[in-house]
Amino acid sequence: SQQGEEDPQALSIQEGENATMNCSYKTSINNLQWYRQNSGRGLVHLILIRSNEREKHSGRLRVTLDTSKKSSSLLITASRAADTASYFCATGRGRGGTASKLTFGTGTRLQVTL
Amino acid sequence: DTAVSQTPKYLVTQMGNDKSIKCEQNLGHDTMYWYKQDSKKFLKIMFSYNNKELIINETVPNRFSPKSPDKAHLNLHINSLELGDSAVYFCASSQERLGSYEQYFGPGTRLTVT
Repeated sequence: SQQGEEDPQALSIQEGENATMNCSYKTSINNLQWYRQNSGRGLVHLILIRSNEREKHSGRLRVTLDTSKKSSSLLITASRAADTASYFCATGRGRGGTASKLTFGTGTRLQVTL
Repeated sequence: DTAVSQTPKYLVTQMGNDKSIKCEQNLGHDTMYWYKQDSKKFLKIMFSYNNKELIINETVPNRFSPKSPDKAHLNLHINSLELGDSAVYFCASSQERLGSYEQYFGPGTRLTVT
């Protein structure tokens, strides 16, 4: 079954606002990653958080991980029109699994309007 | 310089034909992947090679055969194409040996089977 479920499926905000996307997963993980995909393009890696980490920052991005709830969130602060894209979470397996074998979520489509 | 490149970008072909998609990475990575993204944007891993050795082989029809002539190349050959093979195929790479699980994606190949 699919590992990652993302919420919401679509999000529309105005420039300058913050955007929060959530990801839930089902099995143990080694790491959780977030990727961005612009329309018609490949995926771009944004940030990786390991299973023993709780929070990570990168520029305007903030990722949290709660392994007890098997969930993660991605916060984009002060959003810009250029942030318009689909965002995917992906999990690498833990406990004997292959950490590099990523299982992707369903994605959140973010629309940032001027 | 492009890190992960794929050719062709677009491929339109008829049912029953055989086609190949090529992928090259110039990042010096040791692991390469093929993913399939369907019309609902769901991304699923198909194959993974580490140092030219197959390490992940998901439930993919035998009509799909990956070939890795060297660490920098991973090609995908598809026999007897079917309508359901229509999708966007992404190649990716990572440097697993150093425990770095971030994946770098190519721009994708949009395959349309008519």
